[in-house]
Amino acid sequence: GDSVTQMEGPVTLSEEAFLTINCTYTATGYPSLFWYVQYPGEGLQLLLKATKADDKGSNKGFEATYRKETTSFHLEKGSVQVSDSAVYFCALNGGAEYGNKLVFGAGTILRVKS
Amino acid sequence: DTGVSQDPRHKITKRGQNVTFRCDPISEHNRLYWYRQTLGQGPEFLTYFQNEAQLEKSRLLSDRFSAERPKGSFSTLEIQRTEQGDSAMYLCASSIAGNYEQYFGPGTRLTVT
Repeated sequence: GDSVTQMEGPVTLSEEAFLTINCTYTATGYPSLFWYVQYPGEGLQLLLKATKADDKGSNKGFEATYRKETTSFHLEKGSVQVSDSAVYFCALNGGAEYGNKLVFGAGTILRVKS
Repeated sequence: DTGVSQDPRHKITKRGQNVTFRCDPISEHNRLYWYRQTLGQGPEFLTYFQNEAQLEKSRLLSDRFSAERPKGSFSTLEIQRTEQGDSAMYLCASSIAGNYEQYFGPGTRLTVT
Protein backbone atom coordinates (compact mmCIF):
# COMPACT_ATOMS: atom_id res chain seq x y z
CA GLY A 1 0.00 0.00 0.00
CA ASP A 2 0.87 3.67 -0.08
CA SER A 3 3.38 4.87 2.50
CA VAL A 4 5.34 7.94 3.58
CA THR A 5 8.79 8.00 5.18
CA GLN A 6 10.15 11.06 6.97
CA MET A 7 13.52 11.76 8.46
CA GLU A 8 13.66 10.98 12.13
CA GLY A 9 13.87 13.76 14.64
CA PRO A 10 14.17 15.65 16.68
CA VAL A 11 15.82 18.25 14.50
CA THR A 12 17.39 20.99 16.60
CA LEU A 13 18.43 24.25 14.92
CA SER A 14 19.47 27.72 15.96
CA GLU A 15 17.28 30.65 14.95
CA GLU A 16 17.86 31.79 11.35
CA ALA A 17 19.34 28.42 10.32
CA PHE A 18 18.30 26.64 7.11
CA LEU A 19 15.80 23.83 7.51
CA THR A 20 15.36 20.68 5.47
CA ILE A 21 13.04 17.84 6.48
CA ASN A 22 13.21 14.90 4.09
CA CYS A 23 10.10 13.08 2.94
CA THR A 24 9.82 10.23 0.45
CA TYR A 25 6.73 8.33 -0.58
CA THR A 26 5.58 5.10 -2.17
CA ALA A 27 2.34 5.22 -4.12
CA THR A 28 0.72 3.24 -6.89
CA GLY A 29 -0.91 6.18 -8.61
CA TYR A 30 -0.21 9.90 -8.77
CA PRO A 31 -0.96 11.24 -5.32
CA SER A 32 -1.34 14.75 -4.05
CA LEU A 33 1.28 15.61 -1.43
CA PHE A 34 0.96 17.69 1.73
CA TRP A 35 2.85 19.02 4.70
CA TYR A 36 0.90 19.47 7.92
CA VAL A 37 2.19 21.15 11.10
CA GLN A 38 1.14 20.47 14.67
CA TYR A 39 2.07 23.13 17.23
CA PRO A 40 2.17 22.11 20.91
CA GLY A 41 -1.33 21.55 22.24
CA GLU A 42 -3.00 22.24 18.90
CA GLY A 43 -4.51 20.28 16.03
CA LEU A 44 -3.01 19.58 12.61
CA GLN A 45 -2.82 22.55 10.28
CA LEU A 46 -2.32 22.31 6.54
CA LEU A 47 0.99 24.02 5.76
CA LEU A 48 1.33 23.50 2.01
CA LYS A 49 0.40 21.17 -0.82
CA ALA A 50 1.34 20.08 -4.35
CA THR A 51 -0.95 18.16 -6.65
CA LYS A 52 1.28 17.13 -9.57
CA ALA A 53 4.88 16.55 -10.51
CA ASP A 54 7.17 19.61 -10.37
CA ASP A 55 4.57 21.66 -8.50
CA LYS A 56 6.04 23.77 -5.70
CA GLY A 57 3.91 24.39 -2.63
CA SER A 58 4.76 27.33 -0.42
CA ASN A 59 3.43 29.06 2.67
CA LYS A 60 4.86 31.14 5.55
CA GLY A 61 8.38 30.88 4.10
CA PHE A 62 8.21 27.07 3.81
CA GLU A 63 8.54 25.38 0.42
CA ALA A 64 8.38 21.85 -0.96
CA THR A 65 8.65 20.58 -4.56
CA TYR A 66 6.88 17.45 -5.83
CA ARG A 67 9.67 15.33 -7.35
CA LYS A 68 8.19 12.35 -9.15
CA GLU A 69 11.55 10.99 -10.32
CA THR A 70 12.83 10.69 -6.75
CA THR A 71 9.37 10.25 -5.15
CA SER A 72 10.22 13.01 -2.71
CA PHE A 73 8.61 16.12 -1.20
CA HIS A 74 11.27 17.64 1.06
CA LEU A 75 10.28 20.61 3.25
CA GLU A 76 12.63 23.61 3.33
CA LYS A 77 12.79 27.01 4.97
CA GLY A 78 15.59 29.49 4.56
CA SER A 79 15.58 30.98 8.06
CA VAL A 80 13.72 29.32 10.92
CA GLN A 81 12.27 31.09 13.93
CA VAL A 82 11.62 29.88 17.46
CA SER A 83 7.91 30.00 16.63
CA ASP A 84 8.45 27.29 13.98
CA SER A 85 9.07 24.72 16.73
CA ALA A 86 6.44 22.05 16.11
CA VAL A 87 5.91 18.57 14.70
CA TYR A 88 5.83 18.39 10.90
CA PHE A 89 3.98 15.63 9.04
CA CYS A 90 4.35 14.71 5.39
CA ALA A 91 1.26 13.09 3.87
CA LEU A 92 -0.16 11.85 0.58
CA ASN A 93 -3.67 11.42 -0.76
CA GLY A 94 -4.00 8.85 -3.51
CA GLY A 95 -7.45 10.02 -4.52
CA ALA A 96 -10.82 8.33 -4.90
CA GLU A 97 -9.37 5.00 -6.03
CA TYR A 98 -7.56 4.77 -2.68
CA GLY A 99 -10.37 5.94 -0.44
CA ASN A 100 -9.51 9.64 -0.44
CA LYS A 101 -7.62 9.05 2.77
CA LEU A 102 -4.46 10.80 3.88
CA VAL A 103 -1.47 8.56 4.56
CA PHE A 104 0.95 10.21 6.99
CA GLY A 105 4.57 9.84 7.88
CA ALA A 106 5.55 9.44 11.52
CA GLY A 107 6.28 13.14 11.95
CA THR A 108 9.48 15.09 12.58
CA ILE A 109 9.92 17.19 15.71
CA LEU A 110 11.60 20.54 15.04
CA ARG A 111 13.12 22.51 17.92
CA VAL A 112 14.48 25.98 17.23
CA LYS A 113 16.72 27.60 19.85
CA SER A 114 17.10 31.36 20.25
CA ASP B 1 -15.94 29.65 8.81
CA THR B 2 -15.59 28.30 12.32
CA GLY B 3 -13.43 25.31 11.40
CA VAL B 4 -13.84 21.69 12.43
CA SER B 5 -14.88 21.24 16.05
CA GLN B 6 -14.74 18.15 18.24
CA ASP B 7 -16.28 17.34 21.58
CA PRO B 8 -15.14 16.46 24.15
CA ARG B 9 -11.50 17.51 23.98
CA HIS B 10 -10.51 15.04 26.65
CA LYS B 11 -12.14 11.85 27.90
CA ILE B 12 -10.97 9.55 30.66
CA THR B 13 -12.84 6.29 30.98
CA LYS B 14 -12.47 2.94 32.64
CA ARG B 15 -11.79 -0.18 30.64
CA GLY B 16 -15.00 -1.79 29.48
CA GLN B 17 -17.02 1.42 29.31
CA ASN B 18 -18.51 2.84 26.12
CA VAL B 19 -17.55 6.30 24.86
CA THR B 20 -18.91 8.54 22.11
CA PHE B 21 -17.19 11.45 20.40
CA ARG B 22 -18.73 14.11 18.21
CA CYS B 23 -17.34 15.99 15.22
CA ASP B 24 -18.83 19.03 13.50
CA PRO B 25 -17.21 19.65 10.10
CA ILE B 26 -16.81 22.91 8.24
CA SER B 27 -20.35 23.74 7.16
CA GLU B 28 -20.05 23.40 3.38
CA HIS B 29 -17.84 20.29 3.49
CA ASN B 30 -19.59 17.10 2.43
CA ARG B 31 -16.76 14.70 3.30
CA LEU B 32 -15.84 13.80 6.86
CA TYR B 33 -12.95 11.62 8.03
CA TRP B 34 -11.90 9.99 11.30
CA TYR B 35 -8.25 9.28 12.14
CA ARG B 36 -6.47 7.94 15.20
CA GLN B 37 -3.09 9.22 16.37
CA THR B 38 -0.93 7.53 19.00
CA LEU B 39 2.06 9.13 20.67
CA GLY B 40 4.98 9.65 18.33
CA GLN B 41 3.10 8.51 15.24
CA GLY B 42 1.26 10.13 12.39
CA PRO B 43 -2.52 9.90 12.18
CA GLU B 44 -3.98 6.65 10.81
CA PHE B 45 -7.16 6.57 8.76
CA LEU B 46 -10.21 4.95 10.35
CA THR B 47 -13.22 5.77 8.16
CA TYR B 48 -14.83 8.41 5.96
CA PHE B 49 -18.24 9.65 4.93
CA GLN B 50 -19.51 11.44 1.89
CA ASN B 51 -22.70 13.12 3.04
CA GLU B 52 -24.41 10.45 5.17
CA ALA B 53 -22.87 7.44 3.40
CA GLN B 54 -19.94 5.67 5.03
CA LEU B 55 -17.75 4.87 2.02
CA GLU B 56 -14.69 3.22 3.51
CA LYS B 57 -13.57 1.66 6.77
CA SER B 58 -10.03 0.73 7.72
CA ARG B 59 -9.16 -2.70 9.04
CA LEU B 60 -8.08 -0.76 12.16
CA LEU B 61 -11.76 -0.17 12.84
CA SER B 62 -12.71 -3.26 14.83
CA ASP B 63 -16.33 -4.22 15.42
CA ARG B 64 -16.20 -2.35 18.74
CA PHE B 65 -16.00 0.90 16.77
CA SER B 66 -18.95 2.43 14.96
CA ALA B 67 -19.32 5.76 13.22
CA GLU B 68 -22.40 7.54 11.98
CA ARG B 69 -23.27 10.69 10.12
CA PRO B 70 -27.05 10.52 10.11
CA LYS B 71 -27.95 13.78 8.37
CA GLY B 72 -24.77 14.40 6.49
CA SER B 73 -23.65 17.08 8.94
CA PHE B 74 -22.07 16.14 12.28
CA SER B 75 -20.65 12.68 12.94
CA THR B 76 -20.25 10.49 16.00
CA LEU B 77 -17.64 7.84 16.71
CA GLU B 78 -18.54 5.28 19.38
CA ILE B 79 -16.17 2.82 20.98
CA GLN B 80 -17.80 0.00 22.90
CA ARG B 81 -16.10 -1.99 25.68
CA THR B 82 -13.03 0.22 25.63
CA GLU B 83 -9.59 -1.31 26.03
CA GLN B 84 -6.34 0.29 27.16
CA GLY B 85 -5.06 0.01 23.59
CA ASP B 86 -7.79 2.41 22.50
CA SER B 87 -6.02 5.25 24.32
CA ALA B 88 -5.12 7.74 21.60
CA MET B 89 -6.02 11.06 20.03
CA TYR B 90 -9.06 10.76 17.77
CA LEU B 91 -9.00 13.31 14.97
CA CYS B 92 -11.77 14.42 12.68
CA ALA B 93 -11.23 16.15 9.35
CA SER B 94 -13.45 17.45 6.58
CA SER B 95 -13.15 18.34 2.93
CA ILE B 96 -15.13 19.18 -0.17
CA ALA B 97 -15.62 16.29 -2.61
CA GLY B 98 -13.08 16.53 -5.42
CA ASN B 99 -10.63 18.51 -3.29
CA TYR B 100 -7.89 16.48 -1.64
CA GLU B 101 -7.17 19.00 1.13
CA GLN B 102 -8.50 17.96 4.51
CA TYR B 103 -8.95 20.30 7.47
CA PHE B 104 -8.57 18.90 10.95
CA GLY B 105 -10.25 19.55 14.24
CA PRO B 106 -8.37 19.81 17.55
CA GLY B 107 -8.97 16.14 18.39
CA THR B 108 -10.39 14.20 21.33
CA ARG B 109 -7.79 12.66 23.62
CA LEU B 110 -9.04 9.37 25.05
CA THR B 111 -7.41 7.78 28.07
CA VAL B 112 -8.59 4.32 29.10
CA THR B 113 -7.60 3.37 32.64
